[in-house]
Amino acid sequence: EPEVTQTPSHQVTQMGQEVILRCVPISNHLYFYWYRQILGQKVEFLVSFYNNEISEKSEIFDDQFSVERPDGSNFTLKIRSTKLEDSAMYFCASSEDRGASEAFFGQGTRLTVV
Amino acid sequence: TQLLEQSPQFLSIQEGENLTVYCNSSSVFSSLQWYRQEPGEGPVLLVTVVTGGEVKKLKRLTFQFGDARKDSSLHITAAQPGDTGLYLCAGRLPGGGYQKVTFGTGTKLQVIP
Repeated sequence: EPEVTQTPSHQVTQMGQEVILRCVPISNHLYFYWYRQILGQKVEFLVSFYNNEISEKSEIFDDQFSVERPDGSNFTLKIRSTKLEDSAMYFCASSEDRGASEAFFGQGTRLTVV
Repeated sequence: TQLLEQSPQFLSIQEGENLTVYCNSSSVFSSLQWYRQEPGEGPVLLVTVVTGGEVKKLKRLTFQFGDARKDSSLHITAAQPGDTGLYLCAGRLPGGGYQKVTFGTGTKLQVIP
């Protein structure tokens, strides 16, 4: 069964460092998303991406964040200068289309900023 | 203010009991999904409901979308320890550019053998 895959599963980084989280969405899907979940809190939307551009972003997704689809298969989330409060599980998701179509989630990357 | 409120937040029941989890909002959703999340893993989609009043069954799980598409419920019959997990409802708001899924506050279910 097709699935969304994320790497790495766990990333530890020092405060102020740049990190890139990687995702391979399901191959025929057109919409891609990043969500995060701080430990013990709800899953929060960060950004959606369609047709090689950001289509929607939340207030969390500030100038420190960027997304890219560099090669037609990978979908990346970059955090330029990590802060302690960026520590969270980051989930990538993809969907076939918008509207009623469900989003399928990856297993997540646990980011720990020290 | 949470867009999607789930109740109860925590539920601990004995194996074989029935339970219902509720997901409520003051907003109308074009569709609503239910996910289950295990610790340290991503949400796994259980079902999508689209039509007001729709009822879907998945083995011992019954999902209902409210007539006004503002609320939903998940009923589990004869709960088993394997049902233990965090249950999340998530909805899409209507509108042409609205693609994101908004998650509820979650219900943590523990089924005791």
